[in-house]
Amino acid sequence: AQSVSQHNHHVILSEAASLELGCNYSYGGTVNLFWYVQYPGQHLQLLLKYFSGDPLVKGIKGFEAEFIKSKFSFNLRKPSVQWSDTAEYFCAVKAPYGNNRLAFGKGNQVVVIP
Amino acid sequence: DAGVTQSPTHLIKTRGQHVTLRCSPISGHKSVSWYQQVLGQGPQFIFQYYEKEERGRGNFPDRFSARQFPNYSSELNVNALLLGDSALYLCASSLSGRTNQPQHFGDGTRLSIL
Repeated sequence: AQSVSQHNHHVILSEAASLELGCNYSYGGTVNLFWYVQYPGQHLQLLLKYFSGDPLVKGIKGFEAEFIKSKFSFNLRKPSVQWSDTAEYFCAVKAPYGNNRLAFGKGNQVVVIP
Repeated sequence: DAGVTQSPTHLIKTRGQHVTLRCSPISGHKSVSWYQQVLGQGPQFIFQYYEKEERGRGNFPDRFSARQFPNYSSELNVNALLLGDSALYLCASSLSGRTNQPQHFGDGTRLSIL
């Protein structure tokens, strides 16, 4: 079964600072990778996903993530955050076969100070 | 278009009781998955249903059951409630049960066990 590790569960930073959230997964085979975001009072929304091809993935709202197969990592980045990026961010993995089951990390609570 | 809708929004039960949570997928979506999100953790997969058949089950006891109806809506049932069942229960829908279909999440049902 897949498992996902996210570190630095609470992140506080100022507007215009750069953000990087780490995600490591444990699974020996090919995986599909996702970052979801949950803004306060809202449902989980898909930020970006990686299935195959270019390991640098662009998502919504200026976010990007890089898949590094050798490191089993899929880190999320944004060069300059805004107050509206305050949210909880979840990394998730899924095997590219079988059912549609997502395995989530514990999440990163990000607070951006104006 | 309406997103994934879940009812009720909040629910309070006591230990030993039974609960039924409901989910209506996005129109045209035929697959529904259920997740449990305990405070401070990422969502944990419970079930996936596609075309009224169970396509996946997570590591949850038999007290948890679900079904999908001909209109693709779904119910999650939990019997003999325990304090540890207190959580946010999320429903996600996708077009099909195929793993390349993104999942769209509802706002969840907040279940509190007293």
